[in-house]
Order: sequence, then structure tokens, then C-alpha cells
Amino acid sequence: GAGVSQSPRYKVTKRGQDVALRCDPISGHVSLYWYRQALGQGPEFLTYFNYEAQQDKSGLPNDRFSAERPEGSISTLTIQRTEQRDSAMYRCASSLGQGLAGDNEQFFGPGTRLTVL
Amino acid sequence: AQSVTQPDIHITVSEGASLELRCNYSYGATPYLFWYVQSPGQGLQLLLKYFSGDTLVQGIKGFEAEFKRSQSSFNLRKPSVHWSDAAEYFCAVGARYSSASKIIFGSGTRLSIRP
Repeated sequence: GAGVSQSPRYKVTKRGQDVALRCDPISGHVSLYWYRQALGQGPEFLTYFNYEAQQDKSGLPNDRFSAERPEGSISTLTIQRTEQRDSAMYRCASSLGQGLAGDNEQFFGPGTRLTVL
Repeated sequence: AQSVTQPDIHITVSEGASLELRCNYSYGATPYLFWYVQSPGQGLQLLLKYFSGDTLVQGIKGFEAEFKRSQSSFNLRKPSVHWSDAAEYFCAVGARYSSASKIIFGSGTRLSIRP
């Protein structure tokens, strides 16, 4: 498909386990974003990349959360030692260029629903 | 810091009726403004955006929004809603004078359509 894809779509894990969430952006898109969306809330910014460089990680809640995009394409969001409060929908988005101006739209993936028991 | 307020958590309107969803923002200057729609089980889709120029912005699916600087508002409107418009709607802001690309979202308004 031509859109942003995320895997897995659903992940159930036990407290204390590590999880890795994958995002496959639209081919050729320079920027990639991670958001977390709690039930009944809007998406909350976590971090973003331009190419392989992580530009802003101010939204990552604590040091258990990390993200990488080693080749400037696919990205992985890793949560170590998961806690129940980490349960949420994790959304990825990508955009063709950098920044928000002009026609630079962020296209969102369907999300990964994470449940920590 | 930027913030977005969507005061209505849930709105129900009759099919064919007009719609207005409220959005207020807080930002030191004129931000970039967006409206997104999220249908059940789907990702977010951009309805429209305001960057500059005409303060009345036309979007997809017959939606429009008007930027009012004096009221710090960016309300979404549609003259006649269809049952397929039932979804969650998010207003969002982005920093204008910054290289940052993050978008700050409001908490959303869930729209239900009465047959």
C-alpha cells in the first residue's frame, strides 16, 4: 500500500516486558513522527526524525522510551520495562519534507494498540 | 507554550443540519492551525489547514474553518452533515516561527449523527 503502516496493530504484554513498535513511512518521506494517544484524548507528540537524525525527543515520557530510524526509513519505538500506564494507541506519521509549512502534510498510520497487563 | 482547547467533548446533530465545532488555541503569535478527522479504527486524516492569507479555509468533504485572531479561534463548520461524518475531530496547532515540526492536538470532539 501507499500509506504509513505500523506493526503490530495490537500488542498485549505483561508489565516489565520490553516492546518494540514498528513504523514504515510512505516511501521517500523525509520526516517521521511518533505520537501517543490515550483513550478519549488527542495524540500527544513523542519524538520526530528528519532522515535518520532524531530532531526532538522532548515528548518522550522517561528514559524507558527510545526511538531510532537508522537508515532514514523504518523507525522503531521501544518501550523498556513496560508499565500499565504505558497502555495507549501509538501512532506514527510521516511527511514528505521537513517542517509544517506549505504542502507538508503529516500522514498518519493506523496505530498500534498497546495493552500492558 | 502552545495549547489547544476543544470545549465540546461530544456533539450530536441531525443529518442534514449544520455543524460547528469549536477550537481555541493559545500561542504567542499566529500559529499554523489544523483540523483532523479520525474515524473508528482509522488513522487521522487532515481536513484542512491554515497557514496564512484568507482566514476562511476550505477543506475536504465540504468542511471549512475560519481563523479569528481576535478570538484565538479556529472553528470548523459544515453546512449540512452526512451520516458518514460521524467521527472524532481534532483541532491542532503548530509553531510558525520555529524549525520544530511537532503538532499539539486538542482532546477532540466526538460527533454523532442523528438519523
